[in-house]
Amino acid sequence: DADVTQTPRNRITKTGKRIMLECSQTKGHDRMYWYRQDPGLGLRLIYYSFDVKDINKGEISDGYSVSRQAQAKFSLSLESAIPNQTALYFCASSRGSYEQFFGPGTRLTVL
Amino acid sequence: AQSVTQLGSHVSVSEGALVLLRCNYSSSVPPYLFWYVQYPNQGLQLLLKYTSAATLVKGINGFEAEFKKSETSFHLTKPSAHMSDAAEYFCAVSGQAGTALIFGKGTTLSVSS
Repeated sequence: DADVTQTPRNRITKTGKRIMLECSQTKGHDRMYWYRQDPGLGLRLIYYSFDVKDINKGEISDGYSVSRQAQAKFSLSLESAIPNQTALYFCASSRGSYEQFFGPGTRLTVL
Repeated sequence: AQSVTQLGSHVSVSEGALVLLRCNYSSSVPPYLFWYVQYPNQGLQLLLKYTSAATLVKGINGFEAEFKKSETSFHLTKPSAHMSDAAEYFCAVSGQAGTALIFGKGTTLSVSS
């Protein structure tokens, strides 16, 4: 079984819809992250959480919100999706500042 | 603050040739440095990491990288490219104070026969 899982893997939605992407990890890590990947732009950090009560904005948090429901779960929400949020979204986890382990990604298309 | 610059968004080599992917970083604290690989339609997989131990770091699949503080570089190399090395490679930096990883924009490696 994968250590970091993301659901759904693919999602097509319409402008203005609320979308939630979910992430779970079984590695016992304290830190979790959400990134988006766009061609030519690499991975950009959206939000990160160092523990259940600690949420931090990343480089591109506008239009997104997150919830750390438990140490193992970290969800990303788009309150009102817009087409330029079409991207590949990755969740990751880490123990402290050590390497991050990534999920398989969620491909989101906003029409 | 940390930042990463990957020189060259696309590198093409022949099978058996040397692979060199360049990464320069900026960090106000001693950095942790990472190289990740992303194969088509997959997530990111750690290739290797530098965490202030040996400056020459060996990773998986024959890759290695050397931390050069004076040049603020962490270039990735492999002596002989294989077709299976074709992928996108990302360099990343993290400060020891515990910030999230900051990624470069990636370098796509193409390998021709």
